[in-house]
Amino acid sequence: EVQLVESGGGLVQPGGSLRLSCAASGFMFDNYFMNWVRQAPGKGLEWVSYISSSSSTKSYADSVKGRFTISRDNGKNSVYLQMNSLRVEDTAVYYCARDGRYSQFEYWGQGTLVTVSS
Amino acid sequence: DIQMTQSPSSLSASVGDRVTITCRASQSISSYLNWYQQKPGKAPNLLIFAASSLQSGVPSRFSGIGSGTDFTLTISSLQPEDFATYYCQQSYSTPRTFGQGTKVEIK
Repeated sequence: EVQLVESGGGLVQPGGSLRLSCAASGFMFDNYFMNWVRQAPGKGLEWVSYISSSSSTKSYADSVKGRFTISRDNGKNSVYLQMNSLRVEDTAVYYCARDGRYSQFEYWGQGTLVTVSS
Repeated sequence: DIQMTQSPSSLSASVGDRVTITCRASQSISSYLNWYQQKPGKAPNLLIFAASSLQSGVPSRFSGIGSGTDFTLTISSLQPEDFATYYCQQSYSTPRTFGQGTKVEIK
């Protein structure tokens, strides 16, 4: 059974940093692209970033480019999102999601809440 | 960036109704269109990928059709567990954009 478990969310002040983690199990982790997708309270879904299976390719939404960094450790079956210079508008539930063959978000974690507030 | 526009934004329907949600892309995305269902407080769940392929475990009352810029999600006979918000999403290019969502409510 595919499982994705996010952690690392919490309350942080504007300008602060936070590192999210996503632990994967139930599949060959190093064969798949991984993503972060977020959802602000009461709002829709926004793709944030993806990383290729070998970490050779990374992509970011314009809203987080230069502030967020995605990485992965295939030995630990984990993907990370380092978030710096956080803004109030980054407040959201952050989901980890695995790509499928057509780049669909095939499996999702339960999400971790990040709140940016003073 | 490719813009995804869903309609309607919300709808009210009864159990047993046939429900149709449309999604339009701002440029051609071939068949790289996916549909998700999200219930309150839960992660989204993939229903349809590549415009018309049913994800494993998803009931056959859900179906999708379309290519290019115009796509449709149909629920053939609405069930109580189908009341939720539905999102389309294109995986043709980055950023991988979502529609704004369609909330399906009980009439």
